[in-house]
Amino acid sequence: EPEVTQTPSHQVTQMGQEVILRCVPISNHLYFYWYRQILGQKVEFLVSFYNNEISEKSEIFDDQFSVERPDGSNFTLKIRSTKLEDSAMYFCASSRLAGAYEQYFGPGTRLTVT
Amino acid sequence: AQTVTQSQPEMSVQEAETVTLSCTYDTSESDYYLFWYKQPPSRQMILVIRQEAYKQQNATENRFSVNFQKAAKSFSLKISDSQLGDAAMYFCAYRRSGNQFYFGTGTSLTVIP
Repeated sequence: EPEVTQTPSHQVTQMGQEVILRCVPISNHLYFYWYRQILGQKVEFLVSFYNNEISEKSEIFDDQFSVERPDGSNFTLKIRSTKLEDSAMYFCASSRLAGAYEQYFGPGTRLTVT
Repeated sequence: AQTVTQSQPEMSVQEAETVTLSCTYDTSESDYYLFWYKQPPSRQMILVIRQEAYKQQNATENRFSVNFQKAAKSFSLKISDSQLGDAAMYFCAYRRSGNQFYFGTGTSLTVIP
C-alpha cells in the first residue's frame, strides 16, 4: 500500500539555522499538508498546498516558513531561521482530493533546535 | 474557533474487552467531518473511522464504532474485542469544508494481555 514518506526522521539544528524537511506524498494525490506537534501538545495544522500554491495556512505559518514542490515527487517545508520553539514533530500528509477525504500521514520528522 | 478535546490522556483495556475513548468538539458549523486516527509507536497516523455530520447513523468499521451525538458535540470511539495491535495513540480530529484538520491531544491506549 502506498505511503507518505519523510526524511530525515530526526533533525538536530542550531538556533538561527535553516532547515528543510522533506516529504514524498502518495503519487496520485493532489493536496499536500504540513502539521506539527510540540511535545505533549496537539497536532496543529500549518499549511495546505494545491496546484503549486498555498491554499490555506494557519497563524503559525509565518514568514519564516515556506513550502515548495520542487519536482513531481517531493514536498518540502523550509524553516529559514529556526527558534527553540520550533522544536517539534513535523508531519506531512497528502490526500487525493479535498473535503471529506482522508489525509494520509507520514511518520514525521522530529526537529530539535538547540 | 474549532477545538477538539480528549479528556483521557491514557486508557487501558484488557485484551478481548471493550473500551470507549471520549472526544468532544466545539464548532458553530453544521456541516463538518469527524475522524479517529490511530498512531502506533514510531509509525504514522492511520485513519480508523470517519463520520459525516449530516449522517445520523453512527459509523462502524469492523470492531470500531462511534457514538456521534451532534447536539452534545460528542464523538466517542468504541473498540470491541480489543487486540494487542490496538495499542496506540488515538487522535480525534475535526474538519470542516476547508483542508484544515483540528486534532485533540490524543489518548494513549494500552492493551493488557
